[in-house]
Amino acid sequence: RKEVEQDPGPFNVPEGATVAFNCTYSNSASQSFFWYRQDCRKEPKLLMSVYSSGNEDGRFTAQLNRASQYISLLIRDSKLSDSATYLCVVTGRMDSNYQLIWGAGTKLIIKP
Amino acid sequence: DAGVIQSPRHEVTEMGQEVTLRCKPISGHDYLFWYRQTMMRGLELLIYFNNNVPIDDSGMPEDRFSAKMPNASFSTLKIQPSEPRDSAVYFCASSYPSGSSYNEQFFGPGTRLTVL
Repeated sequence: RKEVEQDPGPFNVPEGATVAFNCTYSNSASQSFFWYRQDCRKEPKLLMSVYSSGNEDGRFTAQLNRASQYISLLIRDSKLSDSATYLCVVTGRMDSNYQLIWGAGTKLIIKP
Repeated sequence: DAGVIQSPRHEVTEMGQEVTLRCKPISGHDYLFWYRQTMMRGLELLIYFNNNVPIDDSGMPEDRFSAKMPNASFSTLKIQPSEPRDSAVYFCASSYPSGSSYNEQFFGPGTRLTVL
């Protein structure tokens, strides 16, 4: 099993719809979680951090489920400009070192 | 600030040649990360530095790869000799510390390397 797994998609979603995708992780000692967005042929950029209590930023909601070891990203009222690849990042300790593991990304395509 | 700066943006070289990728982190950031991204393997962390010191190089694929950070404003990733399977986009990222966990990473635009 991969340490961090994401459904690669693509998710084809009509404009205005709500879409959600998950990221599962295997290290129960993981400490910090992030969602990044990467546009085609561009660098990744932070979308939002994921807090234990869940957090919302406009149309985006991120949640953490430690018991089941996954984080989720919900996008409401999707826009054409939301089309991108969404990468999750999980950090934490493994033995004496910090780990920083990236998911392979979920591709989202918003259609008019 | 201009953000993380990487050079060159594109590099095409022949197998066996030495390749040097360069990175200037954001001023004041004391973590620097080198990544490689391919369609097959996604984004892979190669090595990261804290205060110019390499902390974890377990992601460096083999001895052909080396990275240095001689000062807080400059880092290099060198591949010698290069092979076609090294073709990828190489990203540099920097961040500032946040307690015991990583903070937001700011990525450079990447270097697209093609080894023929």
